[in-house]
Amino acid sequence: DGGITQSPKYLFRKEGQNVTLSCEQNLNHDAMYWYRQDPGQGLRLIYYSQIVNDFQKGDIAEGYSVSREKKESFPLTVTSAQKNPTAFYLCASRAPTTRGEQYFGPGTRLTVT
Amino acid sequence: ILNVEQSPQSLHVQEGDSTNFTCSFPSSNFYALHWYRWETAKSPEALFVMTLNGDEKKKGRISATLNTKEGYSYLYIKGSQPEDSATYLCAFRGAGNMLTFGGGTRLMVKP
Repeated sequence: DGGITQSPKYLFRKEGQNVTLSCEQNLNHDAMYWYRQDPGQGLRLIYYSQIVNDFQKGDIAEGYSVSREKKESFPLTVTSAQKNPTAFYLCASRAPTTRGEQYFGPGTRLTVT
Repeated sequence: ILNVEQSPQSLHVQEGDSTNFTCSFPSSNFYALHWYRWETAKSPEALFVMTLNGDEKKKGRISATLNTKEGYSYLYIKGSQPEDSATYLCAFRGAGNMLTFGGGTRLMVKP
């Protein structure tokens, strides 16, 4: 089955530690995205990548970093500079059609204490 | 940052009721309006992608309309069922390939 996987489902870290969230897709999509969701808010774009070896900041990129070395993988690192890292993180890829619908992973809930 | 708003934030209905909710978005630089359904413990799934003013889409008991001139879209569910319980997200797509999401409408259908 084609899809997007994110691991782990739940992640706990101590304040001051960097943590990397995994996102893998086997849909052969070029474009991938990272979103963050906080209670009562919509999904906010952190970073996106239109193609391998290229990525752009979204609306809330401060305190995050990404890499896109392979088409299938788009990991997100939450650094110690991110002031409020506790949130639900969703990864998505975009279908290469004019509709451009996005396909989402199951998400990772990160808790930093 | 673009402003995409959904109302209401949450909605409780009885099984069999029909319901609708609203997404408002910028009326300029419009490219597409997406609707996603997000069930608890699952991933959001695309329902509709609408691009033309006056567009109407239907999938089973769920339908959506689009008015790009005034910047709103309605999602309708006819005869709600418990399995329709989910958060419904709309997202505006402008000139780029990025989506700006609304806050979602959480629908709960009581049997």
